[in-house]
Amino acid sequence: NAGVTQTPKFRILKIGQSMTLQCTQDMNHNYMYWYRQDPGMGLKLIYYSVGAGITDKGEVPNGYNVSRSTTEDFPLRLELAAPSQTSVYFCASSYSQGAYGYTFGSGTRLTVV
Amino acid sequence: GIQVEQSPPDLILQEGANSTLRCNFSDSVNNLQWFHQNPWGQLINLFYIPSGTKQNGRLSATTVATERYSLLYISSSQTTDSGVYFCAAPGNAGNNRKLIWGLGTSLAVNP
Repeated sequence: NAGVTQTPKFRILKIGQSMTLQCTQDMNHNYMYWYRQDPGMGLKLIYYSVGAGITDKGEVPNGYNVSRSTTEDFPLRLELAAPSQTSVYFCASSYSQGAYGYTFGSGTRLTVV
Repeated sequence: GIQVEQSPPDLILQEGANSTLRCNFSDSVNNLQWFHQNPWGQLINLFYIPSGTKQNGRLSATTVATERYSLLYISSSQTTDSGVYFCAAPGNAGNNRKLIWGLGTSLAVNP
């Protein structure tokens, strides 16, 4: 049981480049989330999804896009990367509204230069 | 929106000591969660505790919703307890998906 798998683990982007952070879960969770964590800070929600085909904005959605075509996958797209997007990104999933606990991926450390 | 404040920001313990971490929130909540981030960055959900007390091994948590705070107790601390402890609460009443996170308590347990 792999849980939540994020790729890549590390990435350096140049300003203006684009990339997709991949997230896959094998627990049949219907809820999935993308968070970013800046140094010394808590997590901030970027986007979340309550099921395939349904996504919604979190606290800090600007500069990002998501899609949820299957239950398992929830990729995060960065268009026109900016230095302000330098952060650690975490994907998470849960059965429902967090009552049963979140399972987190191991994170993606992104640097935009 | 709701504000989530944690104290203390940093804590250093000797192995075997007990500690209490506090989480204050500015509005009524129906969902309060505690998380642990280990020194390698991995996040683990510790407790979902909207009210009352729960225990899991050496860790326990109590939420007093009417007074808008939650406490995380760590007993007989071990070096593996080191890391950052976060609490999080829903940003909007009835929308448990949008959690607002505190800044965390950074715990170092020395052998």
